[in-house]
Amino acid sequence: SQTIHQWPATLVQPVGSPLSLECTVEGTSNPNLYWYRQAAGRGLQLLFYSVGIGQISSEVPQNLSASRPQDRQFILSSKKLLLSDSGFYLCACSSDGTLNTEAFFGQGTRLTVV
Amino acid sequence: QQPVQSPQAVILREGEDAVINCSSSKALYSVHWYRQKHGEAPVFLMILLKGGEQKGHEKISASFNEKKQQSSLYLTASQLSYSGTYFCGTESDTGNQFYFGTGTSLTVIP
Repeated sequence: SQTIHQWPATLVQPVGSPLSLECTVEGTSNPNLYWYRQAAGRGLQLLFYSVGIGQISSEVPQNLSASRPQDRQFILSSKKLLLSDSGFYLCACSSDGTLNTEAFFGQGTRLTVV
Repeated sequence: QQPVQSPQAVILREGEDAVINCSSSKALYSVHWYRQKHGEAPVFLMILLKGGEQKGHEKISASFNEKKQQSSLYLTASQLSYSGTYFCGTESDTGNQFYFGTGTSLTVIP
């Protein structure tokens, strides 16, 4: 079965600093990969999804970006964090690019921008 | 694009039943249901595929009506462990996006 490694688990960063969150997947190849953000008490907002290496689709305009340098690696970045970037970030994958089975999640990164 | 869930929040006593609804504005291929405890990743409950499925898992079951673009999650004889936020996740017929619903906070009290 698939395993998603996501790190760090918690992060406190000052406004204006850069961000890099990494997610790696084991146990499958060519997955669809997703980044979600969950603000306190709110639902899961889709930020980016990727169907293959170098293929990134953005769902919402923002100061975040994503990259997929390898098949099972997905990175969320920012050059300058804003206070509004605080939240719980989750990486997810679906096996073989379909959603006929469950989506697997990393354990999340709680980001606090101060 | 984000599915809408109702109700937003519900409080139950142990043993009571609840229904959570998920509605999408787009044609759906599949609907997933997840439960999330505070500060943790969502945990998979079940998936329903296009074709009007119904599924059950112990005292938690769900239905999917793709004509209405709706799914409902049924929790019967609720237990304390059922507390959490429930999300539906939807995959459209036409894309690779996977959107989560707005979430329903469910609290079961003794």
